[in-house]
Amino acid sequence: KNEVEQSPQNLTAQEGEFITINCSYSVGISALHWLQQHPGGGIVSLFMLSSGKKKHGRLIATINIQEKHSSLHITASHPRDSAVYICAVSPLTGNQFYFGTGTSLTVIP
Amino acid sequence: NAGVTQTPKFQVLKTGQSMTLQCAQDMNHEYMSWYRQDPGMGLRLIHYSVGAGITDQGEVPNGYNVSRSTTEDFPLRLLSAAPSQTSVYFCASSYSGGLSYNEQFFGPGTRLTVL
Repeated sequence: KNEVEQSPQNLTAQEGEFITINCSYSVGISALHWLQQHPGGGIVSLFMLSSGKKKHGRLIATINIQEKHSSLHITASHPRDSAVYICAVSPLTGNQFYFGTGTSLTVIP
Repeated sequence: NAGVTQTPKFQVLKTGQSMTLQCAQDMNHEYMSWYRQDPGMGLRLIHYSVGAGITDQGEVPNGYNVSRSTTEDFPLRLLSAAPSQTSVYFCASSYSGGLSYNEQFFGPGTRLTVL
């Protein structure tokens, strides 16, 4: 049973396209996290959010707590955005994250 | 700040061998954790610690031991390596347990192969 589901699993886009990655979760949460993992393996945190919307440069994250759903958008995609994007949630109880399996994004020049 | 450091970056073991993966952080974080990442699966929690002297099991603890004698260090020990432990291992830390609104910082990972 996966507490966090992401879609799509794989995504290929042309440079400049608008990209959306979706995350649905089944538990009550205190926060949702979007992480980025580049080829070579390093994982960095992009966003933490518990409501509404956040924006960093060309990346936008939204969350709908009632629907238990979040989206990560990338505007004007670039080949350097090629990475695996991972959704994770902090449940209301306990000390553990729940992770999605990730969305592998490839942006072609 | 070096952030979260892990050693080694790569390791090959034979079945039955033991080894320790090292993890250290210099951010004075109370919460530290070990994950393994396998193809087609999300990151899975092996063990975690909410402070020096306190450790607890995660989702997949079998075959692994941890200790937390200092705030900075959180080593992961493989007692008797098995091929099923072939994986990429990540150490992470954050300011406090429960994670909630705390950003989690990840180490660069250790790629382990057990033959």
